[in-house]
Amino acid sequence: EVQLVESGGGLVKPGGSLRLSCATSGFIFNTYTMNWVRQAPGKGLEWVSAISNSATYVYYADSVKGRFTISRDYAKNSLYLQMNSLRAEDTAIYYCARSDTSMEPFDWWGQGTLVTVSS
Amino acid sequence: QSVLTQPPSASGTPGQRVTISCSGSSSNIGSNYVYWYQQVPGTAPSLLIYRNNQRPSGVPERFSGSKSGTSGSLAISGLRSEDEADYYCAAWDDSLRGVVFGGGTKLTVL
Repeated sequence: EVQLVESGGGLVKPGGSLRLSCATSGFIFNTYTMNWVRQAPGKGLEWVSAISNSATYVYYADSVKGRFTISRDYAKNSLYLQMNSLRAEDTAIYYCARSDTSMEPFDWWGQGTLVTVSS
Repeated sequence: QSVLTQPPSASGTPGQRVTISCSGSSSNIGSNYVYWYQQVPGTAPSLLIYRNNQRPSGVPERFSGSKSGTSGSLAISGLRSEDEADYYCAAWDDSLRGVVFGGGTKLTVL
């Protein structure tokens, strides 16, 4: 069974940093594009970033470009999101999500991890 | 403001058929697949329809998707109380180089 399990969320001050992790199992990790998607409290879904199966292509939403870095570790079958210069508007549940290709939406989602940016 | 446009709300009575629209442009729905997700409050989104009209295993046949030009549509027939949830459409956008979403439609079963 496909499993995506996020971790690393928490409370951080504005300007601070946080690293999210997504441990995966149940599928061949190096054949899928992986993504981060977020949802602010009471709001809709916002795609954040994607990394292709071979890490050749990396994409970011304009709202996080230059502050967030996506990466993946094939030995650990894990996805990461390094978040720097955090702002209040980054407060959201962050979901790890899998895509069949690098230019398509998602077929599987994790349960999410909450990031709160507040002083 | 979302790139894809959905009605904020929809409703129906048990057994009815409800449709939810998703309007985009030539750079997203017009040239790429439409996906639909269901999100029950407090839980993660789950895939309902992929590649315009394909249903994953486990999704009831009551749910169907279609695409025409720059718009997509989700239809739910034989409405049930457990269908009460938020529904989102999504597509890749060639200009923005990312996945774009609709703002979501809250479905109420009366």
